[in-house]
Amino acid sequence: DIQMTQSPSSLSASVGDRVTITCQASQDISNYLNWYQQKPGKAPKLLIYDASNLQTGVPSRFSGSGSGTDFTFTISSLQPEDLATYYCLQYDNLPYTFGQGTKLEI
Amino acid sequence: QLQLQESGSGLVKPSQTLSLTCAVSGVSISSDTYSWSWIRQPPGKGLEWIGYIYHTGSTYYNPSLESRVTMSVDRSKNHFSLKLKSVTAADTAVYYCASGETWIPFGSWGQGTLVTVSS
Repeated sequence: DIQMTQSPSSLSASVGDRVTITCQASQDISNYLNWYQQKPGKAPKLLIYDASNLQTGVPSRFSGSGSGTDFTFTISSLQPEDLATYYCLQYDNLPYTFGQGTKLEI
Repeated sequence: QLQLQESGSGLVKPSQTLSLTCAVSGVSISSDTYSWSWIRQPPGKGLEWIGYIYHTGSTYYNPSLESRVTMSVDRSKNHFSLKLKSVTAADTAVYYCASGETWIPFGSWGQGTLVTVSS
């Protein structure tokens, strides 16, 4: 299985801050990576697909970049409603595997 | 608008079989565009993909659970199902159904259902 290592595991930031989360794959996954947001008590929501494409309806303050083994997820200006846990997912190889999550506190 | 809704038993005894169904609305489960997945999340922990099924019945199960998992599709009811046998307390989790469209997995999710394994 491909291991996805997310960092940091938790992060505290202030409204208006720029926030960056990284995800490293244990082998080359090209650009087959998604980013999800999970708010407390809710199902995850797809934000970014194919490493850098913004899902329809997702605010433009969210972005993703990277390819191969190293990926970055950025919130350009943190908003109070961004309180959530964020997960990466690789879908280059079966089984699909998630990162362990980054809990964002505001 | 694709919507997914899980249903099933919220309490299962150890060694018994967990059974869940995901009702699909807004699209036909028979569409070649979509795959249908189950994902679980133990309380306070991360996400684990259980596997997927296509309307043809073609499946892939995560090797970590493969020996205990069965998925099926009912095209007449536009739903798909999960069975997980020989459950233990470690199978206690929120279970989500999710859809994949073309090559992009898990674009839509159900709200999730908590299954507790306890005697």
